[in-house]
Amino acid sequence: DAGITQSPRYKITETGRQVTLMCHQTWSHSYMFWYRQDLGHGLRLIYYSAAADITDKGEVPDGYVVSRSKTENFPLTLESATRAQTSVYFCASSDLRASGTNEQFFGPGTRLTVL
Amino acid sequence: GNSVTQMEGPVTLSEEAFLTINCTYTATGYPSLFWYVQYPGEGLQLLLKATKADDKGSNKGFEATYRKETTSFHLEKGSVQVSDSAVYFCALSVNYGQNFVFGPGTRLSVLP
Repeated sequence: DAGITQSPRYKITETGRQVTLMCHQTWSHSYMFWYRQDLGHGLRLIYYSAAADITDKGEVPDGYVVSRSKTENFPLTLESATRAQTSVYFCASSDLRASGTNEQFFGPGTRLTVL
Repeated sequence: GNSVTQMEGPVTLSEEAFLTINCTYTATGYPSLFWYVQYPGEGLQLLLKATKADDKGSNKGFEATYRKETTSFHLEKGSVQVSDSAVYFCALSVNYGQNFVFGPGTRLSVLP
């Protein structure tokens, strides 16, 4: 399917476990983003990537690792999950040159619960 | 720095009521302004946008005008429907950049 997809949609894990959230987009957008959404905080940027092999920290990067070996994939890894990382995670992509707009296109989200 | 402030929710309205959700911003450079909507259980989707002062964005009966003098981008709709119940986010980007700053979101509930 065309668009931006995230997997899994729901995940329950335990404190200390490693978790990887997947994000895949079919538009070949150069930019990709990871946000977390928490009540009272809105959307906060965790990491973003301007192109394959180029990543940079956002507002709340601690405890997260990203990689971007291919343009279409941008996985987010929680190396040792904590309860504070219980949240809804959104992936997004954009590309001003490809789409003519810097609008960000969002995936459906992953709801992560850390017990 | 760049920031977006939105009115606190939740906002509860009856069907066919007039809606205003306030949004003000602080930005260096030349901001583009956006409203995103998030329906229950879904990701955010662009509702409307404006890229320069005095531009009016509109979509699905919603409108917002980019007011540089008041640094505002208030969202309005003349007659809301139950299906408009969602969370609305105001956002900006600067100099057509790819990085956005989002407001905290305003939850709207429309009752039949």
